[in-house]
Amino acid sequence: GQQVMQIPQYQHVQEGEDFTTYCNSSTTLSNIQWYKQRPGGHPVFLIQLVKSGEVKKQKRLTFQFGEAKKNSSLHITATQTTDVGTYFCAGDYNQGGKLIFGQGTELSVKP
Amino acid sequence: NAGVMQNPRHLVRRRGQEARLRCSPMKGHSHVYWYRQLPEEGLKFMVYLQKENIIDESGMPKERFSAEFPKEGPSILRIQQVVRGDSAAYFCASSPATGPIAKNIQYFGAGTRLSVL
Repeated sequence: GQQVMQIPQYQHVQEGEDFTTYCNSSTTLSNIQWYKQRPGGHPVFLIQLVKSGEVKKQKRLTFQFGEAKKNSSLHITATQTTDVGTYFCAGDYNQGGKLIFGQGTELSVKP
Repeated sequence: NAGVMQNPRHLVRRRGQEARLRCSPMKGHSHVYWYRQLPEEGLKFMVYLQKENIIDESGMPKERFSAEFPKEGPSILRIQQVVRGDSAAYFCASSPATGPIAKNIQYFGAGTRLSVL
């Protein structure tokens, strides 16, 4: 069935270090969306990737979508304490409708 | 432009009671989704609705749970005879439409934290 695996589950970094989280789908995606959730908060939309091989940047964040549209990554350069939270990828298989969320990667940043 | 509004933010129920969770989508959005998040876990899809129609309820438990999105008013997720295992955060999301680009981006409300005693 449709499943999105995300690793690692936790990542502890020193402020200024880089961070990467990876998502892998069992089947080809229509698009993938990334969200950030702060402790006690709700998922906040970050970005949507649609095209094969797409790369998008938002300041220190770089998002990639694999050529086969089955995997994706989020890379944060030089982490800051404001980056703390859980990052989720969410796969869309049908150009709309339900999202299949990865398990999330919880990022903690030590100042 | 107000975001997705959910209420109540926190809801406490005793076992056997009913829980009603409300969600008003963003202005101009006609698609509503409900997700459940257990502590330390990701979000699990429950149901997808458009006005007056359930489009996909593949994630909804077969018993005790129901959802509606009437022509007028908010979407309602109803849980009858709650049990302790229903304790979770319930998030509603909305999107303006479906389609390959941008339109099916889902925007989430602040959630309802349900605690069952």
